[in-house]
Amino acid sequence: AAGVIQSPRHLIKEKRETATLKCYPIPRHDTVYWYQQGPGQDPQFLISFYEKMQSDKGSIPDRFSAQQFSDYHSELNMSSLELGDSALYFCASSPGPSYEQYFGPGTRLTVT
Amino acid sequence: SQQGEEDPQALSIQEGENATMNCSYKTSINNLQWYRQNSGRGLVHLILIRSNEREKHSGRLRVTLDTSKKSSSLLITASRAADTASYFCATDQGAQKLVFGQGTRLTINP
Repeated sequence: AAGVIQSPRHLIKEKRETATLKCYPIPRHDTVYWYQQGPGQDPQFLISFYEKMQSDKGSIPDRFSAQQFSDYHSELNMSSLELGDSALYFCASSPGPSYEQYFGPGTRLTVT
Repeated sequence: SQQGEEDPQALSIQEGENATMNCSYKTSINNLQWYRQNSGRGLVHLILIRSNEREKHSGRLRVTLDTSKKSSSLLITASRAADTASYFCATDQGAQKLVFGQGTRLTINP
């Protein structure tokens, strides 16, 4: 079965640079979520989209923005990167709100 | 943690034994989901239990939910070395997000 695809899988950036993370949900899933997981931490919700509209927002810095496109893929844009942004970034998709969320393999971002 | 606590934080048992992990939460929920994560890897969905359900089974997994106590448990029977991982509970509290617990690190010793 198709799974959530994330790209890139690994990314190394310097402080103050920008990064774009991409997420391709499972086919026919219209809801996408972004989570951040720091080392040894539990995943923290960043933002979600349902039918291409932002549906909920969590602890996402103002330096980050995201959107969901007409083909339902989503991109997380991160600017003015800081050392503390180093983390695993997960995208998840579901066939609608309050259904199972299926996670992608994550993007490991390292900021140096 | 917004979520509450997972108990224990770490659990080490012998292969073949049963493993029980507990999760508590603080607010009303639509559903509760359990995930497995191998070190530095993705989160694998195990099971979802809705607020009107009390127990659910999937293979060697058994999940219970007690909404009056705001708690859930995950039982893995006949554990295998491959079950070694971190296990997280996550609650859907009505907004379109999951709130995760701190996780239980499970080690299965051969």
